[in-house]
Amino acid sequence: AQTVTQSQPEMSVQEAETVTLSCTYDTSESNYYLFWYKQPPSRQMILVIRQEAYKQQNATENRFSVNFQKAAKSFSLKISDSQLGDTAMYFCASLSGGGADGLTFGKGTHLIIQP
Amino acid sequence: EAGVAQSPRYKIIEKRQSVAFWCNPISGHATLYWYQQILGQGPKLLIQFQNNGVVDDSQLPKDRFSAERLKGVDSTLKIQPAKLEDSAVYLCASSEPFLETQYFGPGTRLLVL
Repeated sequence: AQTVTQSQPEMSVQEAETVTLSCTYDTSESNYYLFWYKQPPSRQMILVIRQEAYKQQNATENRFSVNFQKAAKSFSLKISDSQLGDTAMYFCASLSGGGADGLTFGKGTHLIIQP
Repeated sequence: EAGVAQSPRYKIIEKRQSVAFWCNPISGHATLYWYQQILGQGPKLLIQFQNNGVVDDSQLPKDRFSAERLKGVDSTLKIQPAKLEDSAVYLCASSEPFLETQYFGPGTRLLVL
């Protein structure tokens, strides 16, 4: 079984600042995937970024990047030049390589971007 | 490309009533998931389909929940009878086989009174 832990229930930063959201996970799988999803008040879950565990290079998507520390089982999300539209719940999730168990989500971090 | 469609968006029912949710996945996506998201928590997998076969339903409360995916495309999730603790957002997601990225629909918010 996989577990995902997000220890920051809420974070608040000023617009244009950089913010880092933390996530740790536990899995016995050797092949797995990690994700960050964003959920704005509309409740639509939107993929932010994805990391394959076998890749050493950290994934990046425009202003979003991850710090994947495999040995420490840590997967943090960095948002650069934060914007008001980044305000949302952010969920860290894991998926085993076979994909048969569905995503395992953390409890989420509520990120508030202040103007 | 059209995303995952779900209906209805909102539903309010009395306890012990029945309710059904519908999901239409992204065209060509063979894998379909139903998740339950209780307020303040992350989504929890209820059931996963590969085409029209069930891959995992270990967390589905089978005494009251049922789901089907006829013809390997659309899916329905039913609750009968509903309990107060079933109040949640029900999310449908789909993915292409072996690509592992799941795309979510807008969800159905259920309130059981």
